[in-house]
Parts: sequence; structure tokens; C-alpha cells
Amino acid sequence: DAKTTQPPSMDCAEGRAANLPCNHSTISGNEYVYWYRQIHSQGPQYIIHGLKNNETNEMASLIITEDRKSSTLILPHATLRDTAVYYCIRTGVNTGKLIFGQGTTLQVKP
Amino acid sequence: NAGVMQNPRHLVRRRGQEARLRCSPMKGHSHVYWYRQLPEEGLKFMVYLQKENIIDESGMPKERFSAEFPKEGPSILRIQQVVRGDSAAYFCASSPTGGHQPQHFGDGTRLSIL
Repeated sequence: DAKTTQPPSMDCAEGRAANLPCNHSTISGNEYVYWYRQIHSQGPQYIIHGLKNNETNEMASLIITEDRKSSTLILPHATLRDTAVYYCIRTGVNTGKLIFGQGTTLQVKP
Repeated sequence: NAGVMQNPRHLVRRRGQEARLRCSPMKGHSHVYWYRQLPEEGLKFMVYLQKENIIDESGMPKERFSAEFPKEGPSILRIQQVVRGDSAAYFCASSPTGGHQPQHFGDGTRLSIL
């Protein structure tokens, strides 16, 4: 079971930080957490991934709790172009397949 | 550095015809994945291929669908005798290796069946 739980929708004011939560309470030790987003009907865009340490790149930060049962994706300064569906996915090494849930629809408002 | 290239972007077929969708992975990537997104639904994994090998086809419909990734050339997703229910967006992704390297997606092929 590669299930994650995300709120179906969130709003964020432009210029503010967007914090998107994800619950993966049954994650196993070799599973990574990946975040993707899909803007309108484009192909999913990779954002960031991590195993147990917090990660940061030019797009976002990923905060993983110490027990690894949940994580938060942080977009530090949301813009209107960040409006999208955000997917939190857990998958094991060498598994290959990504299992997409319903994701969180983030609406960034002016 | 070009991303994952899919063509055609839009494909229209009549019921009973064949559809061929092509995917050229990013340079240096030898792993390819196909996903399908039905209208108003989420993305579903179909198949995972390495050069000349199918690694996981657990998401492929049992009939009419096949995929290949030859030693030379793009990966091909082939749908024979298409039906209306095959209308969807088909996305291809690639990664350099397996492991935990992220998959990078193309912009998809929108298949419409008349």
C-alpha cells in the first residue's frame, strides 16, 4: 500500500509561503517521499524528494518529521504560476512506478 | 538539454484503428515509464521499461496495449483497435537509472477517439 493522504485543496496569498502537508504514516524504511506538481494539463513536474533529512532546492523545501510519518512541502514565496495540483508520493528504491493520488489543489490568490 | 519529448502532441483516431505514441527520453536516461490520465482522473502507471526490456507492466491493460524501448530510437506505446475509452492523455517519463533518481515527464500525447 503506497498510500499518502493530502488535503484536497488549499489557498495561499501571493508572496506568502505555501505549506502543503502530506501524511504517510505507514512508510517503510527504504521508501522515499517525492513531490510533483501538475499545472493545468501539462506533464507532471518534479519538485523535490527526500528520505529522512530535510531537503532544499531552487524550487522548494521538504521537511520530513523525525518519525517519517509525515512531511511538508514549502514554497517560500508563492506566485500565481504556482497554482497547480501537488502530489506527494512515496515509493521504494528500484520500484519504478509512481502511484499518484488525488493530490492537493493549491490556488494562489493575488 | 532537451527534456522528455513526446510526439505527436495530439492524435486523433477512429475506432478500430491503431495508435502509436512515441517518447524520446532525456539524454543519458535509459529508463522509461508510461502513464495514462483519463479525463477528470489521476495519473495511472502503465509500464516501466529499460533498453530492450520490460521491467514492470503491471498497469498495462491485458489486451491491445503494448510497449517497447528498442536499443536505438524512441520508446513506443502501441494501442491496437482503439476504442472510445482509450481517449486520454498519455505521459512518458524518464530517469537516468533506477534507484531513487526522480522521473522527469514529457508534456504528453492527447489521444482522441472518434
